[in-house]
Amino acid sequence: AQTVTQSQPEMSVQEAETVTLSCTYDTSESDYYLFWYKQPPSRQMILVIRQEAYKQQNATENRFSVNFQKAAKSFSLKISDSQLGDAAMYFCAYRGYGSSNTGKLIFGQGTTLQVKP
Amino acid sequence: EAQVTQNPRYLITVTGKKLTVTCSQNMNHEYMSWYRQDPGLGLRQIYYSMNVEVTDKGDVPEGYKVSRKEKRNFPLILESPSPNQTSLYFCASSLSIGTPDTQYFGPGTRLTVL
Repeated sequence: AQTVTQSQPEMSVQEAETVTLSCTYDTSESDYYLFWYKQPPSRQMILVIRQEAYKQQNATENRFSVNFQKAAKSFSLKISDSQLGDAAMYFCAYRGYGSSNTGKLIFGQGTTLQVKP
Repeated sequence: EAQVTQNPRYLITVTGKKLTVTCSQNMNHEYMSWYRQDPGLGLRQIYYSMNVEVTDKGDVPEGYKVSRKEKRNFPLILESPSPNQTSLYFCASSLSIGTPDTQYFGPGTRLTVL
């Protein structure tokens, strides 16, 4: 069974600085999708970035980028120029692909990010 | 506006009193799913539905029921709630599972079972 692990329960960053959130996963599949979701205090789940495993190029969305290391099964999120509005809980998630895919997202435990002014 | 709605947003109930949390999407999505979120465990899938009248268990289905009589609605039913079902619940939908579509999440329902 696939698993997702976020080993940093809490992180903090100074406003305007850069922070990296870690995520590792375990799977025997070769094709899959990886996601980072943001959950602010409103509790809404917001998709931050998505990576297809077959793509070697790391995904980027404005100030958010990932470092996808397929062989190491690592999927970290880098937030550049951190803003107060980035304070939230961040979840890493995995979704399978192909005949075994049920659409299920497998989530990590979450990392709470604090942004200090 | 494309959205997933859930009701109620907050609910406090007592053990054994049947309840239903409604979920509705206006995007004509085939796939719908329920998750529960607990501290230190992230979100875990309860049930999912690939289309009307097609539902299946996720990872934590015990104590829950679902139905999918219409494409837009996917209610979560707790026939006899227990305190271990106190949690934050999310409904999610996506166009299908065959493509890397974004799953859209509802706003969440905070359930407390006393």
